[in-house]
Amino acid sequence: GENVEQHPSTLSVQEGDSAVIKCTYSDSASNYFPWYKQELGKRPQLIIDIRSNVGEKKDQRIAVTLNKTAKHFSLHITETQPEDSAVYFCAASKGSNSGYALNFGKGTSLLVTP
Amino acid sequence: NAGVTQTPKFQVLKTGQSMTLQCAQDMNHNSMYWYRQDPGMGLRLIYYSASEGTTDKGEVPNGYNVSRLNKREFSLRLESAAPSQTSVYFCASKRGETGYEQYFGPGTRLTVT
Repeated sequence: GENVEQHPSTLSVQEGDSAVIKCTYSDSASNYFPWYKQELGKRPQLIIDIRSNVGEKKDQRIAVTLNKTAKHFSLHITETQPEDSAVYFCAASKGSNSGYALNFGKGTSLLVTP
Repeated sequence: NAGVTQTPKFQVLKTGQSMTLQCAQDMNHNSMYWYRQDPGMGLRLIYYSASEGTTDKGEVPNGYNVSRLNKREFSLRLESAAPSQTSVYFCASKRGETGYEQYFGPGTRLTVT
């Protein structure tokens, strides 16, 4: 099955700095790559996603890049703020081939210090 | 719209007891999913239902059964709970085949002693 690896497991940055989280996937049939943010005790919330026919997508301070050849994708957060502190999960999906189910990475705990 | 709702929020079971986790969505979504979340493990798929009347196993289905009662509801049953099933359980739903985004419920925190 699909294997999604995520690095780093923890990341500490100062407010205003950028943060980058990287994921790799194993199955070339994967075609959808979302990123979820989870605050302590809360449900995962989608923050950005990208499909395999696009190389980059940006939404204000958040961007995701995808390299299909290398099978890796990354989340970039610029001008980090303390409220960005949370656990971030990447995921990959093979679409209709697997009922659109998501395979998640193990998460990155991001701490933004003032 | 309430989105995706789950009951109960918390539950403590003894080993061997059974229980059903309930999930409902009011977004008219076709697909529904059950994930479990353990510390340091991310979320892992237990079962999913791509459409009403169908269910399929995910990555970690052992010890669980599911029922897609109707389009709104998808329940997860533990027939004989084990300590290894202590986890936070999330239900999610997704609209039809043109959309990929999954919406998660608030979760059920289950402890098996």
